[in-house]
Amino acid sequence: ETGVTQTPRHLVMGMTNKKSLKCEQHLGHNAMYWYKQSAKKPLELMFVYNFKEQTENNSVPSRFSPECPNSSHLFLHLHTLQPEDSALYLCASSHGGGTASYEQYFGPGTRLTVT
Amino acid sequence: TQLLEQSPQFLSIQEGENLTVYCNSSSVFSSLQWYRQEPGEGPVLLVTVVTGGEVKKLKRLTFQFGDARKDSSLHITAAQPGDTGLYLCAGAKTSYDKVIFGPGTSLSVIP
Repeated sequence: ETGVTQTPRHLVMGMTNKKSLKCEQHLGHNAMYWYKQSAKKPLELMFVYNFKEQTENNSVPSRFSPECPNSSHLFLHLHTLQPEDSALYLCASSHGGGTASYEQYFGPGTRLTVT
Repeated sequence: TQLLEQSPQFLSIQEGENLTVYCNSSSVFSSLQWYRQEPGEGPVLLVTVVTGGEVKKLKRLTFQFGDARKDSSLHITAAQPGDTGLYLCAGAKTSYDKVIFGPGTSLSVIP
């Protein structure tokens, strides 16, 4: 595998379910990100991890819980979601130890539908 | 209020035509990136511009960073159906700020 991979690509879940999204990067980067992309809205940054430490939580509801066990893996644990949480969830990685990085490499995304 | 504005929001053109899309802000950015996103996929980085007035070319795509580093443009020459997608600009004011994405320009090139 190369680049950034995400699983599953598609997920349908009920509001009472618990599920997890997985992201893996094979680029040797130190920073990883979760973004939410909804229809007709810009990409919304959710979380940033640098060297496994969370450095950004962009006022995300607690029903989204990130986990970064190492610099190559990132998870997003989901529970008690709402229909308005339906969106494309994108993972990205980059070099750098700061909050920002100039160039990000994205995975293909997980299309989430909450019923 | 959008920190990064993009125009036009939608653009539909015939194959072979030229086009320009814009990314504008009232703020100065240390760098701007352009990405292309195809339906059902993640954005793919096209280019990063860092220096005011900088021009970069990628085959038929020409990217320019404004002299004041507040705006950028992407010009496509002789558009092809493979250019169809959502074009996103993104930038950070400093290396310590999070990257901000614009809302994108959705381009459709009709064969």
